[in-house]
Amino acid sequence: AQTVTQSQPEMSVQEAETVTLSCTYDTSESNYYLFWYKQPPSRQMILVIRQEAYKQQNATENRFSVNFQKAAKSFSLKISDSQLGDTAMYFCAFMRAGTASKLTFGTGTRLQVTL
Amino acid sequence: DAGVIQSPRHEVTEMGQEVTLRCKPISGHNSLFWYRQTMMRGLELLIYFNNNVPIDDSGMPEDRFSAKMPNASFSTLKIQPSEPRDSAVYFCASSLDGSVPQYFGPGTRLTVT
Repeated sequence: AQTVTQSQPEMSVQEAETVTLSCTYDTSESNYYLFWYKQPPSRQMILVIRQEAYKQQNATENRFSVNFQKAAKSFSLKISDSQLGDTAMYFCAFMRAGTASKLTFGTGTRLQVTL
Repeated sequence: DAGVIQSPRHEVTEMGQEVTLRCKPISGHNSLFWYRQTMMRGLELLIYFNNNVPIDDSGMPEDRFSAKMPNASFSTLKIQPSEPRDSAVYFCASSLDGSVPQYFGPGTRLTVT
């Protein structure tokens, strides 16, 4: 079974600053995907970024980037130039590669962006 | 394009009543997932379907929960009888042939009193 751990229940960052959210996971699978989902107060689950385990290059999406360390089973999310709209819960998630695999989520990190 | 559609958005019911949650996946997607989010257990998978066939229902809490997918564009999650501990946000998500990513609906907030 896979597990996903987010050790930071809450974080705060000032607008325009950079923040990094941590995530570690445990799996015996060799082929898998990792994701960060954002859940704002509207509770909609929004995909922020994804990483294929076979790719060494870290994924980036505009102000969002990841630091994927496969050997260490670490998958952190960096948000640059933080904006008020980034305030949300952030969930790290794991998915085994293959047909119709489920997502396994971490417990989430609540990020507050302040003025 | 329309995303995953869930109804109702909010449901308040009394203990013992039957509750039916509905989901319409994104057109063309053939994998559908039901997740539940609670403060105590976080986000957890209840059941998922591939090509309308249930693949894994090991996350369904007990016999009071049932899910169906009669066709490619509709799924239901039913709780009968409902209990206060079923209060949660229920999400439906879909994907194309199990590929990434999964797209989530807006969720249904269920309150059982």
